[in-house]
Amino acid sequence: DADVTQTPRNRITKTGKRIMLECSQTKGHDRMYWYRQDPGLGLRLIYYSFDVKDINKGEISDGYSVSRQAQAKFSLSLESAIPNQTALYFCATSDLGDSGSYEQYFGPGTRLTVT
Amino acid sequence: AQSVTQLGSHVSVSEGALVLLRCNYSSSVPPYLFWYVQYPNQGLQLLLKYTSAATLVKGINGFEAEFKKSETSFHLTKPSAHMSDAAEYFCAVSNGGSQGNLIFGKGTKLSVKP
Repeated sequence: DADVTQTPRNRITKTGKRIMLECSQTKGHDRMYWYRQDPGLGLRLIYYSFDVKDINKGEISDGYSVSRQAQAKFSLSLESAIPNQTALYFCATSDLGDSGSYEQYFGPGTRLTVT
Repeated sequence: AQSVTQLGSHVSVSEGALVLLRCNYSSSVPPYLFWYVQYPNQGLQLLLKYTSAATLVKGINGFEAEFKKSETSFHLTKPSAHMSDAAEYFCAVSNGGSQGNLIFGKGTKLSVKP
């Protein structure tokens, strides 16, 4: 079984709808992240959480919100979806490894289309 | 502020040829550096990482990268390309410490011709 799972894997929704993307992990990591990937732009950080009570905005948080329901669960919500939020969304986790670096582990992604 | 520049959004090589994907970074503190690979319709997978233990880092699938502080570079190489190497590759930098977030480059898509 995958260590980081995302649901749904694909979603088509209409402009103005509220949508939630969910992420679960079995790695026992404290840190979790949400990114969006757009062609030619790489990955951009939306929100990150260092533990259940710690939520931080990333580079492009406008139009998004998150909830850290437990150490293992981190959800991303689009309160009112718009077409330019069409993208591939990734969840990731990390923890301080032996090397002192926060290597990140990624889920398989959710492809979201807003029409 | 940290940043990463990947030179070339698309690189095409022939099967068996050398693969060279370029990454330059900017960091005010000693960095941690990463290369990730994304195969079609999949998430990102760590290829290798530099954490100051050794400047030449070996990763999975025959890839390696060399940290050159004087050139602020961390280029990814593989001596002989395979068709299965076709993917998108991302370089990332982190300053470690209590923050430790990753800053990603925009990616380089590698095509391998038979």
